[in-house]
Amino acid sequence: GESVGLHLPTLSVQEGDNSIINCAYSNSASDYFIWYKQESGKGPQFIIDIRSNMDKRQGQRVTVLLNKTVKHLSLQIAATQPGDSAVYFCAENGDTGNQFYFGTGTSLTVIP
Amino acid sequence: DTGVSQNPRHKITKRGQNVTFRCDPISEHNRLYWYRQTLGQGPEFLTYFQNEAQLEKSRLLSDRFSAERPKGSFSTLEIQRTEQGDSAMYLCASSWGQGAQDEQYFGPGTRLTVT
Repeated sequence: GESVGLHLPTLSVQEGDNSIINCAYSNSASDYFIWYKQESGKGPQFIIDIRSNMDKRQGQRVTVLLNKTVKHLSLQIAATQPGDSAVYFCAENGDTGNQFYFGTGTSLTVIP
Repeated sequence: DTGVSQNPRHKITKRGQNVTFRCDPISEHNRLYWYRQTLGQGPEFLTYFQNEAQLEKSRLLSDRFSAERPKGSFSTLEIQRTEQGDSAMYLCASSWGQGAQDEQYFGPGTRLTVT
């Protein structure tokens, strides 16, 4: 299978600071990537996506950066809020493009 | 609430029993996915349907697992002769489109515990 991993399993940040969550992927054939947020007891929730023809995409308070050279993805959350506390997963679509391969996840804790 | 519902939310069963889970996707969505998630891990793809056709199955989906989507709407996932290793959260997701580059909306999952 694919190897999608995260560099840090846990991350704690102060409320109001910016957060950066990193992800490494292994399949150079992947051309679509998604960041998901998963709160306890809930299914993953789409945050932002990026296609391989882009290096950066911005949403509301979130930015995703894609570095295809080193197969690295990052999620930046600006002005982190307590409601951002959750586990964050990156996912890639792999060879067939019809399956998504998820990383292990990073648990983000926002300290008020 | 994403609009994708799953039932039951929790299921406790004894090893060797059969269990069936149901997923009701967002009504206009043509694609439906099943994933399995164990504690501390990301979801693992099991299978997906486009309308009523099951188009891909992961090698994780052993012959004890079967999924159906008979009318292209709701789907069921059945596990026969459950094993303790089947204990996990089973997630369903749906999307509208022709490819995987379409946002998938996840349900809340069914947590299975095999004793």
